[in-house]
Amino acid sequence: AQKITQTQPGMFVQEKEAVTLDCTYDTSDPSYGLFWYKQPSSGEMIFLIYQGSYDQQNATEGRYSLNFQKARKSANLVISASQLGDSAMYFCAMREGQGGSEKLVFGKGTKLTVNP
Amino acid sequence: NAGVMQNPRHLVRRRGQEARLRCSPMKGHSHVYWYRQLPEEGLKFMVYLQKENIIDESGMPKERFSAEFPKEGPSILRIQQVVRGDSAAYFCASNSYSNQPQHFGDGTRLSIL
Repeated sequence: AQKITQTQPGMFVQEKEAVTLDCTYDTSDPSYGLFWYKQPSSGEMIFLIYQGSYDQQNATEGRYSLNFQKARKSANLVISASQLGDSAMYFCAMREGQGGSEKLVFGKGTKLTVNP
Repeated sequence: NAGVMQNPRHLVRRRGQEARLRCSPMKGHSHVYWYRQLPEEGLKFMVYLQKENIIDESGMPKERFSAEFPKEGPSILRIQQVVRGDSAAYFCASNSYSNQPQHFGDGTRLSIL
């Protein structure tokens, strides 16, 4: 079974509108972390936002917020007031806290296109 | 504060040659991770190192691939006798504590002729 599922291969949004990118995860470990990264066409990986499994509040970073629903095992990324520069691939990733392994497991990504 | 530095940015090798990819972590970071990204895919974990130690190599192919992070100098991912299937983007990431977000370099795009 996939650990991280991103069901939207592609998403379109109008400039200045909000968009939600979906991410569901699968783990039996009570301690884990969830991350979102942005990969523009130039190829670099840019860290956006982090949510710990024990965090009481949803994470926010500027225009990015994470809609964390623990019971549903979902960690959707919300981008408010979309900008043309937000067009990129977006990857959800999870780090499980088992046995000292700190590797990130990534989803397949969602390609976001912001239209003017 | 310089970010994670990877070089070269692009590397072209012929089948059977060796590829060496370098990664200098962010200043103050002692944990290094290598990931591989095939076209149209997400990143796949390869190996996690701390200074002079391999902590987790569960994602490394059993043959031809090796990684090190010496006491002095950058981390090196080495691929011997490269084959066409090794063509990919290889990313290095680092952090200072294992529960901190991993910060990525710009990647090395490896092409095998």
